[in-house]
This record gives sequence, C-alpha cells and structure tokens, in this order.
Amino acid sequence: EIVLTQSPGTLSLSPGERATLSCRASQSISSNYLAWYHQKPGQAPRLLIFGASSRATGIPDRFSGSGSGTDFTLTISRLDPEDFAVYYCQQYGSSPSTFGQGTKLEIK
Amino acid sequence: QVQLQESGPGLVKPSETLSLTCTVSGGSITTSNSYWGWIRQPPGEGLEWIASIYYSGSTYYNPSLKSRITISVETSRSQFSLKMNSVTAADTAIYYCARGRGILGKLCFDYWGQGSLVTVS
Repeated sequence: EIVLTQSPGTLSLSPGERATLSCRASQSISSNYLAWYHQKPGQAPRLLIFGASSRATGIPDRFSGSGSGTDFTLTISRLDPEDFAVYYCQQYGSSPSTFGQGTKLEIK
Repeated sequence: QVQLQESGPGLVKPSETLSLTCTVSGGSITTSNSYWGWIRQPPGEGLEWIASIYYSGSTYYNPSLKSRITISVETSRSQFSLKMNSVTAADTAIYYCARGRGILGKLCFDYWGQGSLVTVS
C-alpha cells in the first residue's frame, strides 16, 4: 500500500501568514488522485482539494493544491482564524486508499 | 445539500459483530456516479478507509479488513450499512459514513456524516 508522509507534524503560524503543508508518497500516485482535508476538533473531515489541485465546492481560493507523482503541497495563502485545524492528505489512485498521519496547524 | 447520518450501537463486546447504518438525505443514493463509503478514526489518531460501495452494488474493501467486513446498500431506504465481525479493542473508533466522488472505486469523500463512536469493550 502507498504510505503518505506529511510534514511538518505541527506548524505554528499567525493569522494572515502563508502556510505550506507537504505530503510525500512512498510511490507515484496515479492520475494525481490526491485529496486534502481539514478536521476541526469534534467534527468530521472536510474535503478541500481533490485531483491534487481542484478546489471542492465552497472552498475559498486562498486554498490551493499542487504537485504530482510523489510530492504534493497544500498552500493557504493568508491564514484565517478558522483555518487552524489538522490537515490530512489522502491518495485514492491505488487500493487501499490511504491517508497521511496529519499536520496540525496551530495558532502561534 | 446531501446529509449523512450514522446509526448503530455505541458499545460492542469483543468477538461480536459491529453493525452501522448510514441514512442519506437531501439527495438520491442512486445518482449516477454515487459511491458511498466508511472511514474510521481511532480516538486521537488518523483516518483509515474501510470500504466503499456503488449504488448498483459494486463493492471495494480495504484488504487489511476484508475478511471481517461487509458493506451493503438498500436503495429503497436510502441507506448503506457496514458489518464488521470478530471485533477487538483495536476496532474502537469513530466511524464515519461519507459520499465518494470518483470513478471505479477510486474515491475521495466530499460529504461526511458527523461520526459514530463505537467502543469495543
């Protein structure tokens, strides 16, 4: 199965700053089937990005995804207070679909 | 807007069978390209995909769990279900149902239920 490694484990930033989160796969992800979610305490994950770079419905354009093959990035251009959460990447190009271990984005 | 709601026992004894149902509202469970899935999250840990099903009945299972799980769909009730047998404490988790988007079982999940905590004890 494909192992996804997210970095950093924790990212401490202030509102208004730019956040860059990384997701690295143990082997190439077919057709860039890579998604990003965020999850706030006590809530279900919310889909942000699918297909590595397409924003899901209702997701603000400050969120962008990039990358291909084994290296993918989620960028949040200007952090809003509501963006502080845990972020997960998911690959769905190979079975079983797998998730990264998460990056916690916390307020500095 | 599509809404999903999990239901089922919150406590299951070791070696018994975990049964959960997800009820879909606000949209049809049989819409073309409608996939439905289960994902779980042990308390304080990450996410694990369990299984997915197409409305016509095609199923997709995580190989690590395949021998113990069954996913099914009942379109007349707008529901899909998960059964997991021979549970242990390691199966204690929040179980989410979700709508899958993609093709041929290659899915990300765009609508999620609120989650159902199942404790095995």
